Amino acid sequence: QVQLQESGPGLVKTSQTLSLTCTVSTGSTSSDDYYWSWIRQSPGKGLEWIGYIYYIGSTFYNPSLKSRVTISEDMSKNQFSLKMTSVTAADTAVYYCAASPMVRGTVTPHFAYWGQGAQVTVSS
Amino acid sequence: ETVLTQSPATLSLSPGEKATLSCRASQSVTTNLAWYQQKPGQAPRLLIYGASNRATGIPHRFSGSGSGTDFTLTISSLEPEDFALYYCQQRSDWMFSFGQGTKLEIK
Repeated sequence: QVQLQESGPGLVKTSQTLSLTCTVSTGSTSSDDYYWSWIRQSPGKGLEWIGYIYYIGSTFYNPSLKSRVTISEDMSKNQFSLKMTSVTAADTAVYYCAASPMVRGTVTPHFAYWGQGAQVTVSS
Repeated sequence: ETVLTQSPATLSLSPGEKATLSCRASQSVTTNLAWYQQKPGQAPRLLIYGASNRATGIPHRFSGSGSGTDFTLTISSLEPEDFALYYCQQRSDWMFSFGQGTKLEIK
């Protein structure tokens, strides 16, 4: 069973950088057996995939956010992170980290495990 | 980008009744379609993956069907704890997207 927990500031000023960390526990399973995602949810846009990272730092991002987002990982610390630059009020949302199994080296197309979510509000 | 459209937006039923939720994709996603349940203040929970496979621990009253562009989530006999929001989600190419959700409410 994989457990995830988001952490980071709940309030970010407009135009600054949002930074969140997800701490993971994979039990007896290797962290290499999973890929790690960020997803957000806001009343206006519903659930929105932000991006994911797997293996030796390979990343894929939502094209609509790609220019502002960086996902990184440090599994020696059992963590992966999200940075989003130049935030506006439209980035106010609950941010979830998620984990999904890799199968034969392939990303599975669903999100099996979720953190509880972190509310981030962007305000001047 | 593949757009998912869920219907109805709201479904009002009574416990014990059968629920049928629909999700339509703007282009084929083969069977790369998942369903999630979300309750207030909680993260989404994976119910169905690969269009028809129940996730670990999901009761047998939940079933999924479909392929290509048209998918259905069926709850055979509603329990009180099943009244919640339901989302479908797809992956095509390397992009993921979610439907806007169906609210299942008690009639």
